[in-house]
Amino acid sequence: EVQLVESGGGLVQPGGSLRLSCAASRFTFSTYWMSWFRQAPGKGLEWVASINQDDSIQYYVDSARGRFTISRDNAKNSLFLQMNSLRVDDTAVYFCARDPPGLVAEDYWGQGTLVTVSS
Amino acid sequence: DIQMTQSPSSLSASVGDTVTITCRASQGIVNHLAWLQLKPGKAPKPLIYTASSLQSGVPSRFSGSESGTDFTLTISNLQPEDFATYYCQQYNNYPFTFGQGTRLDIK
Repeated sequence: EVQLVESGGGLVQPGGSLRLSCAASRFTFSTYWMSWFRQAPGKGLEWVASINQDDSIQYYVDSARGRFTISRDNAKNSLFLQMNSLRVDDTAVYFCARDPPGLVAEDYWGQGTLVTVSS
Repeated sequence: DIQMTQSPSSLSASVGDTVTITCRASQGIVNHLAWLQLKPGKAPKPLIYTASSLQSGVPSRFSGSESGTDFTLTISNLQPEDFATYYCQQYNNYPFTFGQGTRLDIK
């Protein structure tokens, strides 16, 4: 079955940086759009960013644009989220998800990695 | 941005009951509406896409419907594993947006 495993979360001070990774397996990674989502403690789900198959198109939520960069390495079946200038309100569990073709919504999600921004 | 208004925010029910959760979109989203189930510490589980299509492996007691900009998730014959938090999500336009969530508890 499809597997998505996030890593790279941790504790970081406000203004710091983190790079999240999502290792994909058991599907042809290079043929899918991919996305990052997050859930802050006690809050709902929020979409963060999406990227197309060849890294030529990226979309971001307003709060992440200019600070976060979504990217991918198709040779390594990996998705990334570089997060700079982190703020306390970026504290959340971050999930990666697969976007199948044809506007049918994400069909597989990872278990998430926790990012805590605190001094 | 498209606002998704989900109700109720919480719900108590018993095993065997049927429950309904609704979501209203602030503008037309065609049928680009998904429902997801969340449990603490687990990967979100997609249930329904295009408003009424079941994701692979999802039991048939889950169903979705639409009427214009109003969308409904119905869970029939509730099972113990169904007690969780449910979210609707529109994916018609970026930014994708979610409802506020519905927490389903055991009565």
